[in-house]
Amino acid sequence: NAGVTQTPKFQVLKTGQSMTLQCAQDMNHNSMYWYRQDPGMGLRLIYYSASEGTTDKGEVPNGYNVSRLNKREFSLRLESAAPSQTSVYFCASSPNRGQGYTFGSGTRLTVV
Amino acid sequence: GEDVEQSLFLSVREGDSSVINCTYTDSSSTYLYWYKQEPGAGLQLLTYIFSNMDMKQDQRLTVLLNKKDKHLSLRIADTQTGDSAIYFCAEMGSGGGADGLTFGKGTHLIIQP
Repeated sequence: NAGVTQTPKFQVLKTGQSMTLQCAQDMNHNSMYWYRQDPGMGLRLIYYSASEGTTDKGEVPNGYNVSRLNKREFSLRLESAAPSQTSVYFCASSPNRGQGYTFGSGTRLTVV
Repeated sequence: GEDVEQSLFLSVREGDSSVINCTYTDSSSTYLYWYKQEPGAGLQLLTYIFSNMDMKQDQRLTVLLNKKDKHLSLRIADTQTGDSAIYFCAEMGSGGGADGLTFGKGTHLIIQP
């Protein structure tokens, strides 16, 4: 099925560990995004990639890095996980700016 | 910066109409969206409206936009138990760059039998 695929769906990390969240889309979209969702906070943009080869910071980039590996894939890396990074992470993509976004099903991350 | 506000909860009886409201501050908004999130799932695009429109209807959904007051609403007719979810309002400003949407915090729609 066409869409946005995120892996893993669940992850528990110890403080200080690193990990990479994977995201891939098969809709030939130009733009991709990483959001985090926290209770009472809505969704906040971490990083985005307007097109292959470009990435930019969003509202809450500290503690994260991203890689737009190719047009399909956009990964999010936590170099040294902290409890404040416990959240649900969503990847999204869109054909171009202003068009509806397609979201993945999310990665639930717990940092202990 | 841009801001989008929604009330956190709305409770309606099954079969009634639900009206979820949203206000935003960015006067340059070009697109406004409604997304639905069911428990444990990602966000699903429900509908969207261009800023030069006042109303858009799609089956049981009606979106009303008052650009002067920067107020957006989503009406769900004949609310069903399957409509129980969190509904997010989002806006896209007219500034350059694919810098993502600004989301409200979401309205939990609770359906009473």
